[in-house]
Amino acid sequence: GAVVSQHPSRVICKSGTSVKIECRSLDFQATTMFWYRQFPKQSLMLMATSNEGSKATYEQGVEKDKFLINHASLTLSTLTVTSAHPEDSSFYICSARDIVASSYNEQFFGPGTRLTVL
Amino acid sequence: QQPVQSPQAVILREGEDAVINCSSSKALYSVHWYRQKHGEAPVFLMILLKGGEQKGHDKISASFNEKKQQSSLYLTASQLSYSGTYFCGTEWIAAGNKLTFGGGTRVLVKP
Repeated sequence: GAVVSQHPSRVICKSGTSVKIECRSLDFQATTMFWYRQFPKQSLMLMATSNEGSKATYEQGVEKDKFLINHASLTLSTLTVTSAHPEDSSFYICSARDIVASSYNEQFFGPGTRLTVL
Repeated sequence: QQPVQSPQAVILREGEDAVINCSSSKALYSVHWYRQKHGEAPVFLMILLKGGEQKGHDKISASFNEKKQQSSLYLTASQLSYSGTYFCGTEWIAAGNKLTFGGGTRVLVKP
């Protein structure tokens, strides 16, 4: 099955610093990747859709300048949380679709990144 | 607008059955079901498409009622490994490829 990796799995940083999270599709090409945020015991909230070679599409209420997304290749998307603050602490998860292997729209999720901002 | 899942939580004994429902206020193209264990990423279980196609897990079944814009996930003869939080993700006809997830249903299967 399709495998998606995320790095780092856990990060603790000081308030005001920037943190970059990588999402890779390991055995398939992903023209579209998605970034979600999940608070404890809550649902997955879509933050943005990352499109290879073009700008990301952000959901309403998500600050583009705060959450920078870059999808430089068909296997890599990055999310940078700029000037992180304690309220940005959350579980960030990416997902990707394998549009070549499957005509269905199932999304394969990465293992997630736990961000803690002190 | 999030799809609505019910119940919010269910406790089962091993071998018992349960049904989880997911309702949308918008016209659905597909419904995806995922299970998430604590601290882990969601794992794909099942897709149901408008028109009746399905793809998914052998031991878990689901239905899609287009008239009601509702999907149900059936946990049959539950096993301990079924414990986790189940999320439905809905793909709306006009919304492109993105999924909107319901609030989740916590399932605990006890021995």
